[in-house]
Amino acid sequence: EAGVVQSPRYKIIEKKQPVAFWCNPISGHNTLYWYRQNLGQGPELLIRYENEEAVDDSQLPKDRFSAERLKGVDSTLKIQPAELGDSAVYLCASTRGGEGNTEAFFGQGTRLTVV
Amino acid sequence: SQKIEQNSEALNIQEGKTATLTCNYTNYSPAYLQWYRQDPGRGPVFLLLIRENEKEKRKERLKVTFDTTLKQSLFHITASQPADSATYLCAHKAAGNKLTFGGGTRVLVKP
Repeated sequence: EAGVVQSPRYKIIEKKQPVAFWCNPISGHNTLYWYRQNLGQGPELLIRYENEEAVDDSQLPKDRFSAERLKGVDSTLKIQPAELGDSAVYLCASTRGGEGNTEAFFGQGTRLTVV
Repeated sequence: SQKIEQNSEALNIQEGKTATLTCNYTNYSPAYLQWYRQDPGRGPVFLLLIRENEKEKRKERLKVTFDTTLKQSLFHITASQPADSATYLCAHKAAGNKLTFGGGTRVLVKP
């Protein structure tokens, strides 16, 4: 079974430019998470989807960040315009959800560098 | 909101000894506490979870305890090996599927 796939693995952009990240979760996983992880810190939740509905986006900086999960499968996370402080690793994770199915599977992440 | 706190200082330990990591949570008792391992340049990988009505869980050389009175979980790696060197993350799973992580503790096992 394929794991969570993210692309690109690395991205370097100039500040004020737009950038997009893509995530393909494990087939059948209804719950999808986007996290941001700064160096030496734990993952911080940006947004959580249950199928195609964003059920928790309280930590998403909505002035510049947007996300979508069309048809409840793949998801994209966009930043426009990017700022220097957005440099981090962006992790996507998925889980089947429900009682007893709590293990989250992570992709390898996209390392974003804003210069 | 729930906060998960882990010791941010790296834990240096000699091979063969037991590493003990601490995870403290604020506010309400989580339905589950999960532990993940993260290697450099990789995403976290699930290790095991413990439910609020369980006091202890084991998996091979790993042991997790859960004390709702202290609002704390302890994670033990027994007979540690250099291959155990990684960052270990504690995560709280609330009702529903909200998953909140602590800052992680880096473990370095020296031969």
